[in-house]
Amino acid sequence: SQQGEEDPQALSIQEGENATMNCSYKTSINNLQWYRQNSGRGLVHLILIRSNEREKHSGRLRVTLDTSKKSSSLLITASRAADTASYFCATATAGNKLTFGGGTRVLVKP
Amino acid sequence: GAGVSQSPSNKVTEKGKDVELRCDPISGHTALYWYRQSLGQGLEFLIYFQGNSAPDKSGLPSDRFSAERTGGSVSTLTIQRTQQEDSAVYLCASSIGQGSTYEQYFGPGTRLTVT
Repeated sequence: SQQGEEDPQALSIQEGENATMNCSYKTSINNLQWYRQNSGRGLVHLILIRSNEREKHSGRLRVTLDTSKKSSSLLITASRAADTASYFCATATAGNKLTFGGGTRVLVKP
Repeated sequence: GAGVSQSPSNKVTEKGKDVELRCDPISGHTALYWYRQSLGQGLEFLIYFQGNSAPDKSGLPSDRFSAERTGGSVSTLTIQRTQQEDSAVYLCASSIGQGSTYEQYFGPGTRLTVT
């Protein structure tokens, strides 16, 4: 099974609402990263949170990390139609590669 | 500056044919990754190159898949005797440093369809 698994698989909200998605993983990590993907093509890096950090902000994004529960959450505040995309968490363990989860598809309705 | 580029953007091939997918990483990025993404799924790691070190091929699904990186820059992913299950979007990413600490920059992908 995958190291990172997102929940929910899909999310539909109205513009202006907040969107929250969660990521759970199984093994110890060095860091956890969130990426956004539009239209099934290239991914864009959003934020990286290290294993010794608990919360990080970037613009309208807020990421939390709970290593005791092996989980992370991504909150998008005041969502916009342009936030419609798939969001992936990726875990970095010892080694040189990231392991991606299955993603959360977010639809922001105008 | 220019981002990661991939070519072709779309490729349709007949079952049994060989295909080559190309990735041009960001200039100066020493690490290069190949991933595969099936429809509606997450990314599956295929292979990782770092400088002159031996590549990490642990994600390649079969010996029909191979990749090389010439001169520490451009990379080519080759799939021999393509099968229908090889249909997917193949994504390339590069990063400035070694290891998973660094942000990865992705190309737009190559959508491969095997008929």
